[in-house]
Amino acid sequence: ETGVTQTPRHLVMGMTNKKSLKCEQHLGHNAMYWYKQSAKKPLELMFVYNFKEQTENNSVPSRFSPECPNSSHLFLHLHTLQPEDSALYLCASSRAQPGQTNEKLFFGSGTQLSVL
Amino acid sequence: TQLLEQSPQFLSIQEGENLTVYCNSSSVFSSLQWYRQEPGEGPVLLVTVVTGGEVKKLKRLTFQFGDARKDSSLHITAAQPGDTGLYLCAGGAYNDMRFGAGTRLTVKP
Repeated sequence: ETGVTQTPRHLVMGMTNKKSLKCEQHLGHNAMYWYKQSAKKPLELMFVYNFKEQTENNSVPSRFSPECPNSSHLFLHLHTLQPEDSALYLCASSRAQPGQTNEKLFFGSGTQLSVL
Repeated sequence: TQLLEQSPQFLSIQEGENLTVYCNSSSVFSSLQWYRQEPGEGPVLLVTVVTGGEVKKLKRLTFQFGDARKDSSLHITAAQPGDTGLYLCAGGAYNDMRFGAGTRLTVKP
């Protein structure tokens, strides 16, 4: 148990569906992240939120829409996805401090997404 | 963009053997981290190395940070089946943490 909970664990959706991934952290951290993990590729940083404010959006297509209502909750809204979006989506949190470079990320178990 | 390359990509060994995996970059990092990811789970932080030349030990795992802070290695002594997993190195600022593609280790009983 890492203190970061993701739901659902598995999701199968069609290209026309709308779904949301949820992440909740119980660690009192101020930063939350979405990463995408595809087979044989490095984890790709998608979005970063610090104190509810989005600080990074790494050229992610608009069919992925993040939402961070507070420092403990993070959502990823999915709409008209493509089959190549099938991957493991990982949420993480940390006690981020600007200028700090030895961040400890705490990850959830991920949502395994399949787009048909 | 600071890229991290890990080698080997796959490694399959017998229980009791020793192994070393590598993480290399052309860029200097102020620190590097090692994570282990087991099937069906997210990565879990093992260690952070901060100083060039630093060596850290975690039971049978030995982590080293290169003198120039561009590379790191992980050595496992007498590997056990419980060491099976994906080993990832990572580095960067909190809002730009980059990961290598990982070394997938399988330790057979």
